[in-house]
Amino acid sequence: GNSVTQMEGPVTLSEEAFLTINCTYTATGYPSLFWYVQYPGEGLQLLLKATKADDKGSNKGFEATYRKETTSFHLEKGSVQVSDSAVYFCALMPRNNNDMRFGAGTRLTVKP
Amino acid sequence: NAGVMQNPRHLVRRRGQEARLRCSPMKGHSHVYWYRQLPEEGLKFMVYLQKENIIDESGMPKERFSAEFPKEGPSILRIQQVVRGDSAAYFCASSFDRGGETQYFGPGTRLLVL
Repeated sequence: GNSVTQMEGPVTLSEEAFLTINCTYTATGYPSLFWYVQYPGEGLQLLLKATKADDKGSNKGFEATYRKETTSFHLEKGSVQVSDSAVYFCALMPRNNNDMRFGAGTRLTVKP
Repeated sequence: NAGVMQNPRHLVRRRGQEARLRCSPMKGHSHVYWYRQLPEEGLKFMVYLQKENIIDESGMPKERFSAEFPKEGPSILRIQQVVRGDSAAYFCASSFDRGGETQYFGPGTRLLVL
């Protein structure tokens, strides 16, 4: 079946550090891939997405590239800020239905 | 264009009571999804609905839980005879179409069962 595995947290970084949160997936066919962010007490917000192999999603300095050969969609940011502290969820949606699968989430804390 | 709206944002119920959670999708969206998030866990799919139809309820508990999306009005997730284990955040999402379309999430309803 379809599933998403992402790096376990929590992750604690200093401001301006480089961030990588690993995400790998298992799916039949070519799903769409997403990163969502959840700030404390709020719902999930779409951060970025990619719909086909080699696509790069980017937003607010975050990037992730859809790698078919490694079935990965790792999230990266070159210089994190305190305001990036949140929980990040990797997710996939198959091409032919809405059975969206989420990873367990990775909590990021950025310290000044 | 208002986003996905959910109410109430917080709901407290005693064991055995009923909980009703409402979700209004984004304007123009006819696909609604409900998810449950237990503390410190990811989201688990519960049910997918279109107007007046339940398309996929494979994630719904077999008893006490039901969902509807009537022709007029919001989608409703109903939990009867709540138990402490139902305490969680319930998120609604909507999309314009199916299959690969981005889902937009509401702020969630946090249910606490005393």
